[in-house]
Amino acid sequence: QMFLQESGPGLVRPSETPSLTCTVSGGSVRSYDHYWGWVRQSPGKGLEWIGSGFYSGSTYYNPSFRSRVSISVDTSRNKFSLELESVTAADTAVYFCVCGRSYGYGSTAVYYGLGFWGRGIRVVVSS
Amino acid sequence: EVVLTQSPATLSASPGERVTLSCRASQSVSNNIAWYQQKLGQAPSLLIFRASTRASGVPARFSGSASGTDFTLTINGLQSEDFAVYFCHQYDAWPLWTFGQGTKVDMK
Repeated sequence: QMFLQESGPGLVRPSETPSLTCTVSGGSVRSYDHYWGWVRQSPGKGLEWIGSGFYSGSTYYNPSFRSRVSISVDTSRNKFSLELESVTAADTAVYFCVCGRSYGYGSTAVYYGLGFWGRGIRVVVSS
Repeated sequence: EVVLTQSPATLSASPGERVTLSCRASQSVSNNIAWYQQKLGQAPSLLIFRASTRASGVPARFSGSASGTDFTLTINGLQSEDFAVYFCHQYDAWPLWTFGQGTKVDMK
């Protein structure tokens, strides 16, 4: 059974670039059968897909975030991370790290939903 | 962007009832639809993927079906632990996956 746990700052100032980390246990990020992603949830926008990374090194982002977001997979520490540039109050949300099974990667892959979720970390953007 | 419209927004039901939740996609998503259950203060949990395949450990009372761009989650014999919010999710339009706004199932 895979477990995911988010960590990072709970309070961020506007214009900063926070980094969130997801620690993986019970599984390995060195897997060609999984993808590692981030989803956020806020009262105003509901659930939003941010993007994902693969062991291969490929990353894919929701175009709504593409210019501000970066996801990396750290195989040495079995973690993956999200950086979100120049945050504003609109980025206040609960951020979940997620993992799902996949066969292949990118637009041609077969996906099997988001099978594993972290508990979520609330990030508040405020001065 | 594929818009997923869930209905109803809230569904009031009693334990033992059969309930049906709807999710309509604004364009074809093949059968790349998942359903999740979210309880208060918790992360969503995968119930169904590929429109009708139950995830590991999900009780058989949960089932999913599809007809074109209309997707349905059915709970046969609602249990007390099933009162929660349910979301549909399309993972067809890569990389812009989207979620529905949710249906809350509460006790009548």
